[in-house]
Amino acid sequence: NAGVTQTPKFRILKIGQSMTLQCTQDMNHNYMYWYRQDPGMGLKLIYYSVGAGITDKGEVPNGYNVSRSTTEDFPLRLELAAPSQTSVYFCASSYPPGQGGTEAFFGQGTRLTVV
Amino acid sequence: GESVGLHLPTLSVQEGDNSIINCAYSNSASDYFIWYKQESGKGPQFIIDIRSNMDKRQGQRVTVLLNKTVKHLSLQIAATQPGDSAVYFCAEKYYGGAQKLVFGQGTRLTINP
Repeated sequence: NAGVTQTPKFRILKIGQSMTLQCTQDMNHNYMYWYRQDPGMGLKLIYYSVGAGITDKGEVPNGYNVSRSTTEDFPLRLELAAPSQTSVYFCASSYPPGQGGTEAFFGQGTRLTVV
Repeated sequence: GESVGLHLPTLSVQEGDNSIINCAYSNSASDYFIWYKQESGKGPQFIIDIRSNMDKRQGQRVTVLLNKTVKHLSLQIAATQPGDSAVYFCAEKYYGGAQKLVFGQGTRLTINP
């Protein structure tokens, strides 16, 4: 049971480049989330999804896009990378309310640097 | 807006002592309050949660206290061990509306031998 898997672990992008951060989970969780964590700070929610085909904005969605075509996968897309997007990105998943508690399972993170 | 804040950014304790990590929150509509532990280079890991209609919940070596009157949450760790060194985040979750999980800034707990 792999849990939540994120790829890549590290990436350096040039300003204006685009990339997709991959996230997949094998726990059949309906809910999935993308967070970013800046140094010394907490986690800010970028986007989340309550099931395949459904996505919604979090606290800091600007500059990002997501899709949820399957239960397992929730990729995060950066279209025009900016230095302000330098951060560590975490993907997480959880059960819906009333099923399995409140615990969210996190991936190991993707450290992104935009130069 | 929503915010979950912490009183202290760092906390240093002696090994074997009890640790108390505090958190203030502002959204009284939250259904659950949750504590996460994040070790260096890793993703956050769930420790314990408490439902909003409770004021105390105990786990293994940890106790969470919720004071809704002053919107305050605390995590108590008994007999702190070196493996407890990490950043601890409080978070709040509500199931009405957007189903978001909101995190606070975090407290770094350091254990002195």
